[in-house]
Amino acid sequence: GENVEQHPSTLSVQEGDSAVIKCTYSDSASNYFPWYKQELGKRPQLIIDIRSNVGEKKDQRIAVTLNKTAKHFSLHITETQPEDSAVYFCAAHNFILTGGGNKLTFGTGTQLKVEL
Amino acid sequence: DGGITQSPKYLFRKEGQNVTLSCEQNLNHDAMYWYRQDPGQGLRLIYYSQIVNDFQKGDIAEGYSVSREKKESFPLTVTSAQKNPTAFYLCASSIDSGTSGGELFFGEGSRLTVL
Repeated sequence: GENVEQHPSTLSVQEGDSAVIKCTYSDSASNYFPWYKQELGKRPQLIIDIRSNVGEKKDQRIAVTLNKTAKHFSLHITETQPEDSAVYFCAAHNFILTGGGNKLTFGTGTQLKVEL
Repeated sequence: DGGITQSPKYLFRKEGQNVTLSCEQNLNHDAMYWYRQDPGQGLRLIYYSQIVNDFQKGDIAEGYSVSREKKESFPLTVTSAQKNPTAFYLCASSIDSGTSGGELFFGEGSRLTVL
């Protein structure tokens, strides 16, 4: 099955700096790669996603890049702010041919801390 | 107010007891999921269901059971066979987007502690 590795597990940056979180996946058939943000004590929420037919996607201060050949994708946050402090999860999606259904495999998460 | 509701928020269980976590959604989503969240291990898929009366095992289904009798409801039972049940459990739903995936909407979670 799919295996998603995420690095680093913790990341501390100064306010205004950029933050980069990287993920690799194992199944070349994966075709959808979302990123979720989970603030302390809250539910995970989708912040950005990318499909396999696109190499890069931006939404204001956040961007995601995808390298299908190398099977890795990254989250980039520019001009970080204290409210960016949270746990970020990457994920990779497979459509399961046997038995059917969509399956999302998550990375282990990155605790981002933005310091003043 | 649309959304996905989990209950209870906190639950304590004695060893050897089964416990059922509730998950209800009014988003009219076809697909529902149960994830387990442990520190440092991310979100691991327990069971998922694409349609009523059908569900599939995820990566860590042993010791768990589910049912999907109604579109709105996907309860998870943590049985006594689950060796390490203390965890944070998240339910999610999504529009069935065929082969291409889509956004998951999560509940607020249920924290189960086995005493």
